[in-house]
This record gives sequence, C-alpha cells and structure tokens, in this order.
Amino acid sequence: KQEVTQIPAALSVPEGENLVLNCSFTDSAIYNLQWFRQDPGKGLTSLLLIQSSQREQTSGRLNASLDKSSGRSTLYIAASQPGDSATYLCAVPSLSGGYNKLIFGAGTRLAVHP
Amino acid sequence: DAGVTQSPTHLIKTRGQQVTLRCSPKSGHDTVSWYQQALGQGPQFIFQYYEEEERQRGNFPDRFSGHQFPNYSSELNVNALLLGDSALYLCASSLAARVPGNEQFFGPGTRLTVL
Repeated sequence: KQEVTQIPAALSVPEGENLVLNCSFTDSAIYNLQWFRQDPGKGLTSLLLIQSSQREQTSGRLNASLDKSSGRSTLYIAASQPGDSATYLCAVPSLSGGYNKLIFGAGTRLAVHP
Repeated sequence: DAGVTQSPTHLIKTRGQQVTLRCSPKSGHDTVSWYQQALGQGPQFIFQYYEEEERQRGNFPDRFSGHQFPNYSSELNVNALLLGDSALYLCASSLAARVPGNEQFFGPGTRLTVL
C-alpha cells in the first residue's frame, strides 16, 4: 500500500531564504509525482509534475527533484517571498484495477515573514 | 477554457441531513474523482467516475454516493451527515482514466460544515 510522508509538517522562515521541502513514498513503482500548492480554504494548484523518467523539473523559482529508487522527492524554493506562504502537498498516482487515484502527503505549511 | 468548477462554494448542514455537491470537469476531460480533505490533512480519495460508472472507491461508507452524467459532470451525495463529514470536498478531472499516471486537475472545492 502506497504511503506518502512530508517533512517538515510546518516551516517558518524569513523572506529571502532558500527552502527545501521533502516528500517520501513507500512504493517506488510510480509513474510520476506531483507537487501542489494550497492556500487556506482553497483548492489545489498544480506546481510541478515530474515523470518517473525525469530527475528534475523547474518552474521559475521552484525546482523539484525525484529519486525513485530511494522513494524521495524534494521541492526547492529559491529566494522565498511572503507570497509563497501556503501549504505544499505532494502526491503520487496509485493504480488500482486499471484506474488511477492520487495518494497525498499531509503537506508542509510554509510561512514566509517579511 | 474553464477549468474544473464546483458548486456550492460553502455549505452548512446539520447532523442527519443530506447534501449534494456538484462538479463540472475541465473541457475535454471524461473522468471525475472526488477527494475529502479534513483540516490539517492531505486529501483522501473517495471515488472515481468514468463512463458514468463508479470505477474505484476509497475507504468511505455507503453514505457517500455519486453519479456521473452524460456530459461528464458529477455529483457527490452524502446521506445522514455526521460531524466528522465536515471537510473541504475537492473534485478533480482527468482524461482517459485508464492511462497510468494521467494528470488530475482540481477545482476550488466545496467547504462543508456539519453542525
């Protein structure tokens, strides 16, 4: 059974710091891994999707890496800003009976203060 | 091109009542999945609809049921509401449910409060 864990659960940093958020999964047979951002009480915004054949994916100040063999992914946020404050979730697809569902971690709550 | 839409945005019900939540998928998508997100937790998979049938289901009781219409939109129904059903309900759409690892796109969610 696939399980996803995110560390740390919460993070508070001053503006300008570079950050690393961690995601681990128990079953390395994944097709891809997705990072989402969630603002309080809102839906999920997809940030990056890394295919199993990729090692990294970049979008602006965000860089996500994937190491399938060790069951780990990291989301690197460069030069953090107060607008980056949100909860960051990672998710992997789990195939059951030929159909996909996403398995999520509990998220990392990030607060960036000026 | 509209993304995934959900209605209503917020809903307040009392214990024992029934509720219906609605979702319209992203244009061109044919698969709808529903997730429940309790406060401070990650979303939990409820069920998935494809070709108007429930294709897989998470660990949720039969009080949770759904439907998919010919235009691919979907409803989530919850009967005999409990306090523990208070959560953010997220709808996600995707194309071709049987494609491994196909990307899911999420709506803004419906916040359900049960008093």
